[in-house]
Amino acid sequence: ETGVTQSPTHLIKTRGQQVTLRCSSQSGHNTVSWYQQALGQGPQFIFQYYREEENGRGNFPPRFSGLQFPNYSSELNVNALELDDSALYLCASSPDPGPIGGKNIQYFGAGTRLSVL
Amino acid sequence: ILNVEQSPQSLHVQEGDSTNFTCSFPSSNFYALHWYRWETAKSPEALFVMTLNGDEKKKGRISATLNTKEGYSYLYIKGSQPEDSATYLCAPLGSSNTGKLIFGQGTTLQVKP
Repeated sequence: ETGVTQSPTHLIKTRGQQVTLRCSSQSGHNTVSWYQQALGQGPQFIFQYYREEENGRGNFPPRFSGLQFPNYSSELNVNALELDDSALYLCASSPDPGPIGGKNIQYFGAGTRLSVL
Repeated sequence: ILNVEQSPQSLHVQEGDSTNFTCSFPSSNFYALHWYRWETAKSPEALFVMTLNGDEKKKGRISATLNTKEGYSYLYIKGSQPEDSATYLCAPLGSSNTGKLIFGQGTTLQVKP
């Protein structure tokens, strides 16, 4: 048990729709990162939020956006869904980033499986 | 952007066998290396965070070594058990990517009883 929960577990959407995925971080963790795992690949970093501000972004278009709330919950929003967005989406929480942030273990949820038809 | 390669992609061993796999990464701008174990239908779970060249970490039957000068890390499992069946992911961080893990594609281990 990592103390990180994600909802929903599975989701089916059609191309062009919008989707919101939710994550509840470990209490006390001010940093949340989101990853996309397509079939046969390792998780790809989407973005990271720290104290409700975006703190770095991977190679994903602006239609991927996020929110982080003071109660340790966060959201990943994807607009104008494309077929290639079908993937497992993982969130991970960790203590504060900063000079030693890279040494912090990240605690992952079990993911949301998104299928875009 | 870091280029991370893990080998082999998959591995099938018998219970009791020892095994090892490799994570290769660019040796420049190294900051830390994470290893995670990911069992099917569960969350990825952290095994080790390694930072220093020559680092060696151990957790039960699993150990890892790190060579930052040549850009590789080995993960060893001694006397594999069926419960070790999982995908093992490494994620190095460059000095400019604090906390933003760049994962390899993983090594999937299947241990047969």
